Amino acid sequence: QKEVEQDPGPLSVPEGAIVSLNCTYSNSAFQYFMWYRQYSRKGPELLMYTYSSGNKEDGRFTAQVDKSSKYISLFIRDSQPSDSATYLCAMQRDDKIIFGKGTRLHILP
Amino acid sequence: EAQVTQNPRYLITVTGKKLTVTCSQNMNHEYMSWYRQDPGLGLRQIYYSMNVEVTDKGDVPEGYKVSRKEKRNFPLILESPSPNQTSLYFCASAGQGAGKLFFGSGTQLSVL
Repeated sequence: QKEVEQDPGPLSVPEGAIVSLNCTYSNSAFQYFMWYRQYSRKGPELLMYTYSSGNKEDGRFTAQVDKSSKYISLFIRDSQPSDSATYLCAMQRDDKIIFGKGTRLHILP
Repeated sequence: EAQVTQNPRYLITVTGKKLTVTCSQNMNHEYMSWYRQDPGLGLRQIYYSMNVEVTDKGDVPEGYKVSRKEKRNFPLILESPSPNQTSLYFCASAGQGAGKLFFGSGTQLSVL
């Protein structure tokens, strides 16, 4: 079983919809949980950084962590065509950061 | 402007010809790391450094070398590149919280 699992998509949704992106993990030692956004041919950029179970909100983005289920989510409200990108979950244990393979998201105008 | 600068952006080389990809950050970050990104495999860590003169292997270190002589620089060295090292490479740095990574723009390497 891989340490971090993420559905690669692609996921296509109409503009304005709520998007839900998810990752599962197997190692309970993970302490920090991140979501990165990567546009084509660009480096990933950090969207959300969380530590504890629960929700963290930043504008249209909400990150959710459920440590008991080993499951994290990223919700995007009022999705825009500019949100079309690959979204990578990442998790940290000690000095090690493990990335999911990324989910390609297309927001259809 | 805070940034991580990688050079070159694109590189085509031949098998066995030593090359170096440079990485520099201007944020006084202690943590720096190299990743390669391949279709279907995602981002995989090659090497990382917690501070000057401290480097550690990531998940795929074979065929690569790094050095951290100065805090701002973290070059990636391929002593004898092979075609299976054709990939998109990213350098990243982080301050407090190694997970808060700032990435460079990437280096697309092709080894013929």
